[in-house]
Amino acid sequence: AQKVTQAQTEISVVEKEDVTLDCVYETRDTTYYLFWYKQPPSGELVFLIRRNSFDEQNEISGRYSWNFQKSTSSFNFTITASQVVDSAVYFCALSEAHDRYQLIWGAGTKLIIKP
Amino acid sequence: GAGVSQSPSNKVTEKGKDVELRCDPISGHTALYWYRQSLGQGLEFLIYFQGNSAPDKSGLPSDRFSAERTGGSVSTLTIQRTQQEDSAVYLCASSFYYTGELFFGEGSRLTVL
Repeated sequence: AQKVTQAQTEISVVEKEDVTLDCVYETRDTTYYLFWYKQPPSGELVFLIRRNSFDEQNEISGRYSWNFQKSTSSFNFTITASQVVDSAVYFCALSEAHDRYQLIWGAGTKLIIKP
Repeated sequence: GAGVSQSPSNKVTEKGKDVELRCDPISGHTALYWYRQSLGQGLEFLIYFQGNSAPDKSGLPSDRFSAERTGGSVSTLTIQRTQQEDSAVYLCASSFYYTGELFFGEGSRLTVL
């Protein structure tokens, strides 16, 4: 059955440290999509990235980078030189090609960046 | 505005009363979702609308919950005979077809006393 695991419930780091949020997924589909969303303290979820299963290239966007590894069924998210504004809950999600509208969500990782 | 709009932002009600939560999606988005998020928890899928297709109601927790979407746009989530366990933030999201890139509203925080 499909599943998304974010084993880190909460991470706390000091500003400017690098931090990696883990996401492990399970699916039987060969075609699927992976997502990361950010939920800041204000509450509104914001889309960060979508990755399809055929594209294993790592993605970098400013201080954010994503490492997709099919061999380990992982889609990890790294923030380089973290800032206080990065404090949020981060959700990883999966959708499968046969049921694309249905996102399976991880439980989220609360990231606290201390000044 | 250009984003997903939800109202009310906060609703306090007494146990047993009915409540209606409204969602106005982004214009042109054909897919609309309702999720529930309890304090400090993840997202619980409730219902999904896509165009003129029958909605996927598989996530509705009981028959006290219902939702409709009129004219392929605005959606209303109705909770009848509210219970204290219904207290949560109800999130609405819309997307263009199956992109998976959901745009969320700010949510409606429901408190049942």
